[in-house]
Amino acid sequence: EAGVTQSPTHLIKTRGQQATLRCSPISGHTSVYWYQQALGLGLQFLLWYDEGEERNRGNFPPRFSGRQFPNYSSELNVNALELEDSALYLCASSSNFKDTEAFFGQGTRLTVV
Amino acid sequence: AQSVTQLDSQVPVFEEAPVELRCNYSSSVSVYLFWYVQYPNQGLQLLLKYLSGSTLVESINGFEAEFNKSQTSFHLRKPSVHISDTAEYFCAVSPRRGGKLIFGQGTELSVKP
Repeated sequence: EAGVTQSPTHLIKTRGQQATLRCSPISGHTSVYWYQQALGLGLQFLLWYDEGEERNRGNFPPRFSGRQFPNYSSELNVNALELEDSALYLCASSSNFKDTEAFFGQGTRLTVV
Repeated sequence: AQSVTQLDSQVPVFEEAPVELRCNYSSSVSVYLFWYVQYPNQGLQLLLKYLSGSTLVESINGFEAEFNKSQTSFHLRKPSVHISDTAEYFCAVSPRRGGKLIFGQGTELSVKP
């Protein structure tokens, strides 16, 4: 069974541009979570999608947004990129009905120059 | 609201020595507790979890953690570490099944020969 997959693995953007990160959850999982792991700041919760709806949002500005598609895959969009957005973005998925833990992808390393 | 405190940011230890990584949490509701491990340039892998029942939980690679409700702690221990255990370890809580994870700041375990 395939795990959580994220693309691209690495992404380099210039300040002010937009970045789109993608996540495919484990088959059967309906919840997708996004986390930001910036140097020195630990793992910060960004967004939680379940059944196509945004369920919860972390303390991030509105230029961080996303969506979940009918097949439960998800996109994270970051507009007006700033240097401090450089981080590893991790996606995780879980099933509210069966599993009790979240499974993580390998992450997308976003570098803003 | 929940919060997690990992008391040590870095723990250097010699191979075959015992180790304890400390984790304390704060929550007004019952939580599930997790330890995740992150090897360099990789995503997070679940090491072990406490949901209910026995307060002592074990992983397949020799780690164990004990849930102590009165002290609100979930310390991770291993009686004899290997070089391959070198990684960053994250303690996390979740207020419900499938809910978002709140992470501690991480503890970098460095095992030296």
